[in-house]
Amino acid sequence: QKEVEQDPGPLSVPEGAIVSLNCTYSNSAFQYFMWYRQYSRKGPELLMYTYSSGNKEDGRFTAQVDKSSKYISLFIRDSQPSDSATYLCAMSVSGGYNKLIFGAGTRLAVHP
Amino acid sequence: NAGVMQNPRHLVRRRGQEARLRCSPMKGHSHVYWYRQLPEEGLKFMVYLQKENIIDESGMPKERFSAEFPKEGPSILRIQQVVRGDSAAYFCASASMNTEAFFGQGTRLTVV
Repeated sequence: QKEVEQDPGPLSVPEGAIVSLNCTYSNSAFQYFMWYRQYSRKGPELLMYTYSSGNKEDGRFTAQVDKSSKYISLFIRDSQPSDSATYLCAMSVSGGYNKLIFGAGTRLAVHP
Repeated sequence: NAGVMQNPRHLVRRRGQEARLRCSPMKGHSHVYWYRQLPEEGLKFMVYLQKENIIDESGMPKERFSAEFPKEGPSILRIQQVVRGDSAAYFCASASMNTEAFFGQGTRLTVV
């Protein structure tokens, strides 16, 4: 069993839709949770960074962490074609130590 | 403010040759991480270095792979006697103490 599971998609939605991306994990020691966006043939770009359980909002993006269920989510409101990319969840045991464990990534396509 | 710089962006090597991948961290960052991404997979941690020290190499293959981060100059990931299975995108990330990591654009290695 992988430490971090993420549905690879692809996920195709119309412009303006609400997108829900999810990851589950098995290691209860994970404390820091991140979402990265990766455009084709580019490096990952940090979108959201959260510590422990709860919600965090940044513009059209909301990250949720449920440690009791070992489940994290990223919601994208009013999705745009420019949001089309692969979204990677990542997590680590220590915040000051960036040995990240990544999910396989979910490919998202937002069509006009 | 230059980001994490990786070169070359693309590298083609014949089986048995050596590959050298370079990473210059962001200004002020003294922590470097190397990750490997195989097609359709998430990033896998390889090694974590600080200046002149290897901190964690638990993700490095036992043979043919080595990494360094000298006092002066970029971090180098070296792959000796490359095989087809080494073909992947190699990403470097840099950080300072207690900050999140920023990724470079990657080096895409193709072994022919």
